[in-house]
Amino acid sequence: DIQVTQSPSSLSASVGDRVTITCRTSQTVSSHLNWYQQKPGKAPKLLIHGASSLLSGVPSRFSGSESGTDFTLTINSLQPEDFATYYCQQTYTTPLTFGGGTKVEIK
Amino acid sequence: EVQLVESGGGLVQPGGSLRLSCAASGFTFNNYWMHWVRQAPGKGLEWVSRIKSDGSNTNYADSVKGRFTISRDNAKNTLYLQMDGLRAEDSAVYYCAKSPYGGYHDYWGQGTLVTVSS
Repeated sequence: DIQVTQSPSSLSASVGDRVTITCRTSQTVSSHLNWYQQKPGKAPKLLIHGASSLLSGVPSRFSGSESGTDFTLTINSLQPEDFATYYCQQTYTTPLTFGGGTKVEIK
Repeated sequence: EVQLVESGGGLVQPGGSLRLSCAASGFTFNNYWMHWVRQAPGKGLEWVSRIKSDGSNTNYADSVKGRFTISRDNAKNTLYLQMDGLRAEDSAVYYCAKSPYGGYHDYWGQGTLVTVSS
């Protein structure tokens, strides 16, 4: 199975900050890495698929990048509505696997 | 508007069975793969299973293989998850999700809670 290691598990940031979340996969996933946002009591929402393709309607302050087996979600100029938990997921091969999540909290 | 509505969750004893349903609308159901993803209380997301658009291909997480069965009825636009031999560790909110190519999940339902306890 492909392991997905996500870091950090939590972070504190202020409105306007730039935030970076990283996922590392245990083997290549050929860009099949996706990012989701989840708010308390709600279903996850897809932000980015294919490592860097922003879903239509998602603000452009969100971006994704990859370098080998390292993937990064960047949120530029954090907004109040961005405080949530973020998950990465590899969909290169089954079993599909998620990272452990990163909770972004208000500083 | 895409809608996915799960139902069938509840309290069940260890070793028991439950069948979850996911009613889909707002898109051509028989064109898409569908998934089940679960989340134990206070924990992260865990992918459970997926099924191809025509039902010809299914995959499962090791943790549920041999106990859970995913199926679909394209005439009824409904996805199912038959859960047998339930264990306490299966307690979670179960989400169904739509998927263009069997990969990323572009729409999710609101979830249904399954609690396995005596």
